[in-house]
Amino acid sequence: EIVLTQSPGTLSLSPGERATLSCRASQSVSSSYLAWYQQKPGQAPRLLIYAASNRATGIPDRFSGSGSGTDFTLTISRLEPEDFAVYYCQQYGNSPLFIFGPGTKVDIK
Amino acid sequence: EAQLVESGGGLEQPGGSLRLSCEAFGFSLRTYSMNWVRQAPGKGLEWVSGISSSSTTKWYADSVKGRFTVSRDNAKNSLYLQMNSVRAEDTAVYYCAGRGDYYYHMDVWGKGTTVTVSS
Repeated sequence: EIVLTQSPGTLSLSPGERATLSCRASQSVSSSYLAWYQQKPGQAPRLLIYAASNRATGIPDRFSGSGSGTDFTLTISRLEPEDFAVYYCQQYGNSPLFIFGPGTKVDIK
Repeated sequence: EAQLVESGGGLEQPGGSLRLSCEAFGFSLRTYSMNWVRQAPGKGLEWVSGISSSSTTKWYADSVKGRFTVSRDNAKNSLYLQMNSVRAEDTAVYYCAGRGDYYYHMDVWGKGTTVTVSS
């Protein structure tokens, strides 16, 4: 079973700063199978990025995804106040069907 | 606007049963593979179960295999999760989430329903 590791666990930044979040897989995964979600307190997750680098509908272009193989990155170019949240990476597989990373919390410095 | 609405959560004793429902509004579930994802209090996301658009294939996490059963009724635009022999560790917010056939991400999510298992 593939394990996803996200780092850092918490990222403390100020609005306007750049955020770089990492997701590392324990073995190589297809880029088509890697997605990123944002979750705010008390809300459901929201799809941000799919297939490693494609923004979902309605997602601002300050969000971008990159990577391949075992290393993937979510970048928020300039943090807006509404971007402070928890971010999860997700991999699609066989068993289990979906695996989530433990999450990175981006909070206000 | 496309939305999913879950219901059926509540307080149940260990060993008991619950049936969760998820109804789609504003779009048809027929072309979506559907999933249940849960989140224990203060924890991350855990995929629980999935079902293909035609109900041909069902998938389960090891943690619920043999206890939970996923089903759907496309005519009612609805998804279900029958939860039997529930345990304290099943306590979580349960989200239904959909992915288009042949896609590998979940792009539509409900707001969740809370299940608490406690005596």
